[in-house]
Amino acid sequence: QQPVQSPQAVILREGEDAVINCSSSKALYSVHWYRQKHGEAPVFLMILLKGGEQKGHDKISASFNEKKQQSSLYLTASQLSYSGTYFCGTEKGGYGQNFVFGPGTRLSVLP
Amino acid sequence: GAVVSQHPSWVICKSGTSVKIECRSLDFQATTMFWYRQFPKQSLMLMATSNEGSKATYEQGVEKDKFLINHASLTLSTLTVTSAHPEDSSFYICSARDLIRREGHYEQYFGPGTRLTVT
Repeated sequence: QQPVQSPQAVILREGEDAVINCSSSKALYSVHWYRQKHGEAPVFLMILLKGGEQKGHDKISASFNEKKQQSSLYLTASQLSYSGTYFCGTEKGGYGQNFVFGPGTRLSVLP
Repeated sequence: GAVVSQHPSWVICKSGTSVKIECRSLDFQATTMFWYRQFPKQSLMLMATSNEGSKATYEQGVEKDKFLINHASLTLSTLTVTSAHPEDSSFYICSARDLIRREGHYEQYFGPGTRLTVT
């Protein structure tokens, strides 16, 4: 079952912050986040395992609320290079069982 | 991270012909590779799971006789679109999973994708 992402799209000015949410009605083992630029393949950002994990790299971080079966991706002080479509991917088992992508959130960062 | 390559990057073919797309894991062995299809402004939809040395597992609604998958080695999987039609035009992306043994989970790496246009 495909996870739900919100918002569908967001437009930011450079330097602004954004939050993208991903939720599922099923119990999850992990949540993966990817960014895809137009015409290119998705690029792996990070994976969060169950247990309330939080992780970050540069100004992009994410959290996984196991109880709510929800993950949030935080983009801080956004840069032009952050533009793209962000997908979350969820799996129910530790070895990629039932891995499915969300519908995506289109992020546009304007100068 | 691990590198996955795809060939070709793009292909234009006439309706009724067959097209083969290759997916290679360059610096790791992948017992399992995945084939996705992505239409414009949509998410990636899993078509099939390719297992080395065995038959592929297709998702519901994907015609296995039309999308032939062969995973002959631990580093190569191929997708052949047989008797292609304009509605098969799409962005086809493969991925391979690399087991991060020390952490006990997989990370999934995508190839650059192949854009197929059927005229």
